[in-house]
Amino acid sequence: QQKVQQSPESLIVPEGGMASLNCTSSDRNVDYFWWYRQHSGKSPKMLMSIFSNGEKEEGRFTVHLNKASLHTSLHIRDSQPSDSALYLCAANRGSALGRLHFGAGTQLIVIP
Amino acid sequence: NSKVIQTPRYLVKGQGQKAKMRCIPEKGHPVVFWYQQNKNNEFKFLINFQNQEVLQQIDMTEKRFSAECPSNSPCSLEIQSSEAGDSALYLCASSGQGAHTEVFFGKGTRLTVV
Repeated sequence: QQKVQQSPESLIVPEGGMASLNCTSSDRNVDYFWWYRQHSGKSPKMLMSIFSNGEKEEGRFTVHLNKASLHTSLHIRDSQPSDSALYLCAANRGSALGRLHFGAGTQLIVIP
Repeated sequence: NSKVIQTPRYLVKGQGQKAKMRCIPEKGHPVVFWYQQNKNNEFKFLINFQNQEVLQQIDMTEKRFSAECPSNSPCSLEIQSSEAGDSALYLCASSGQGAHTEVFFGKGTRLTVV
């Protein structure tokens, strides 16, 4: 079974709106979370990473992490049609030599 | 743009045939991963290497796949006898040393087993 659960499976937001994506790990040994974006037919590209409790902001993207609950969320403000893509959450731990455990993703559609 | 180069982009094989795909990791990256992404976007880790040595692999890979990362040559992943369930996007990725360095992905090889 998937160790990393993402919700929702799909999300439709209007252009300029806020998109909020969630991710939880059931593996208590993970200590690092990654958010990747994969446009259709393209390779996944890393958006943001986080390993400390709290919040990290880069431009329109904000990621939160609660280490106690192993829950992370990604928020995209002022969403653009070009943000339409599959958003993948991944987690790993130091002892696993970088191996990433991925969720099944959230398909984001931004309507102009 | 990704500097992990995968070939071919598309591969069509009949059931029982061998299917081989190649990957050139980003220059200077000693760690290489292979993942399978199915039609439901689920990722399955297959195998990883550090330099030429296998670090971890799943049972399926050990039994049905052949993979290597020779020095000065592309890495490769080969399915010995393709099955319909092997139809998927095979993603190669590479990273620097350490668990928390960014992993960079190639564009993948889309395998269709007919």
